Formats: sequence, structure tokens, C-alpha cells
Amino acid sequence: AQSVTQLDSQVPVFEEAPVELRCNYSSSVSVYLFWYVQYPNQGLQLLLKYLSGSTLVKGINGFEAEFNKSQTSFHLRKPSVHISDTAEYFCAVTTNTNAGKSTFGDGTTLTVKP
Amino acid sequence: DAGVTQSPTHLIKTRGQQVTLRCSPKSGHDTVSWYQQALGQGPQFIFQYYEEEERQRGNFPDRFSGHQFPNYSSELNVNALLLGDSALYLCASSLSLADYGYTFGSGTRLTVV
Repeated sequence: AQSVTQLDSQVPVFEEAPVELRCNYSSSVSVYLFWYVQYPNQGLQLLLKYLSGSTLVKGINGFEAEFNKSQTSFHLRKPSVHISDTAEYFCAVTTNTNAGKSTFGDGTTLTVKP
Repeated sequence: DAGVTQSPTHLIKTRGQQVTLRCSPKSGHDTVSWYQQALGQGPQFIFQYYEEEERQRGNFPDRFSGHQFPNYSSELNVNALLLGDSALYLCASSLSLADYGYTFGSGTRLTVV
């Protein structure tokens, strides 16, 4: 079984500042990792995913994440945030035998202040 | 190109009743997964359908059942509703069982009173 821990439930940050949203995972087998964003009253939108290859993954809207196997982490970063980045962010993990069965963290609320 | 379409968007039911939620996958997708998202929590996997069969199931009671039709659309049925079933129900579709590029719908907000 796998699990995900998002280390910060809320992250406030000023506009144009950098941000990091932290995600740790646990699994006994190799994992695939994802970050999703959810705006109010909407579904989830995939920001980026790590399946294999380079450990630095670039996604949409200027976000990137780094897979660190030794620390079992997959932190999400953006060098300069905008007001429009205010949303809920979810880290998720799955394995190659459970392609449709993702395990999600409880989310991090990113609030970008002017 | 329409994405994943879910209906209805909102629903209010009474304890003990039954409910059916519907999902049309993104064009070209044949695999559908359902998730329950309680307020303030991340989505939890309910089950996945492919070729009209349930392929995987999460830790949900038998009150939760589903169906996939030949056109790949899907239904989620919940019997004997409990107050704790109040949540946002999300449908996600993908190109195949082995595809990790899920597209989520906007969900159905179910309130049980």
C-alpha cells in the first residue's frame, strides 16, 4: 500500500515570491507521482507527473517538481507566484499495477496575497 | 473537445435514499475511475471501470456500485445513503488502463440530509 503526506495544510505567500509545497510519500514498490490543482467548485487539473527519467519535472503554469527517491519526496515549486495561483494543491501517488487507483494527500491551500 | 462531463452538478438526498451519478468520459477515453472527496480532504478512490467491468476497487462498502456502458460512460450508484456520504464525487477518465493522464470532471456535490 502507498500513502502520501502533504506537510503543510496552508501556505500563504506574497505575489511574485517563490513557493514550495511539500509532499512525502511511502511505498514498498516503485511509484508514479502527480501534482493536481483544484480551484473552488471545480475538479482537479493535472499540473505535472513523474513516471520515469529526469527527476526534475516541468508542468503547466510555470510549476516544477523534483522527485527525490532517497528522501521519498516530490516537492512542488514555482519561482514567482501570481494571485491566480491561489487554489488547493494535491499530491498523488500510484504504482504501475494500479494505474487508475491514485492515493491523494489531504491537500495544501496556497493563498497568494497582493 | 468536451472534457469529462458529470451530472447532476448538485444533489440533495435524504438518509436511506438511493442516488445515481453519471459521467461521460473525455472523447477517446475508455477507462473511468470514481473518487469521493469529503470536505477538506483529498479524493479517495472508489472504483475503476474498463470494458464494462470493475477492474479495481477501493475501501468502500458494497452500498457503492457502478456500471460502465458500451459507449464508455459510467454511473455511480449509492444505496441506503448515510450523512457521511455527503461529498464531492469526481469522475476521471483516461485513454486506457495503463494511462496515467487522467482528466477529471468538475464533480457532483451530494448532500445527504
